[in-house]
Amino acid sequence: QLQLQESGPGLVKPSETLSLTCTVSGASISSSSYFWGWIRQPPGKGLEWLGSISYSRGTYYNPSFKSRITMSVDTSKNQLSLKLSSVTATDTAVYHCARRTHTSAWAFDYWGQGTLVTVSS
Amino acid sequence: EIVMTQSPATLSVSPGDRATLSCRASQGISSNVAWYQQKPGQPPRLLIFGASTRATGVPVRFSGSGSGTEFTLTISSLQSEDFAMYYCQQYDTWPPLYTFGQGTKLEIK
Repeated sequence: QLQLQESGPGLVKPSETLSLTCTVSGASISSSSYFWGWIRQPPGKGLEWLGSISYSRGTYYNPSFKSRITMSVDTSKNQLSLKLSSVTATDTAVYHCARRTHTSAWAFDYWGQGTLVTVSS
Repeated sequence: EIVMTQSPATLSVSPGDRATLSCRASQGISSNVAWYQQKPGQPPRLLIFGASTRATGVPVRFSGSGSGTEFTLTISSLQSEDFAMYYCQQYDTWPPLYTFGQGTKLEIK
């Protein structure tokens, strides 16, 4: 059974870099059948797509974050990572990793529980 | 950027009744629209992809329809577990810029 688990610091200071990891079990992160994405949700608000990555098909970022976002995969650990630099209070949110696959017409079919990141001094 | 606008923001329906949730795209898109259900403290759950295909394990009372700019999620006979937040999403653009609607809260009347 596919599971995604986000992890990382729950508190980040303004202007610093937010770093999160998503550990995937039950599927190979290097498979060309999948894209992996990060989606965030500020407390009490809606969903925002940050970007998607595939080991073999490339990386795509939301232009709103393009200057400060980096996504990568670590196939040895079956993990994907997210780095968001120069954070401000508006980056406070629950961050989810999720999978996209052709069997669901590339919608996000599996999601991690999410991890809350608060940006505060 | 394609803006997805959901209506209404809140929908009050009695158990056993039908609920119809709407999602409008700011420009015409193909059928690359998904619907998600989210309950408090949980991640979104994929209900519908490709505008009208139910995801694995989703009850048949959930159905999706639409094309172009107008999309609809219908829940035919509301059960207690269906009261939740619902989001539509388009994943049609290239290069990718996937956007979600602001959500419809489905509450018990």
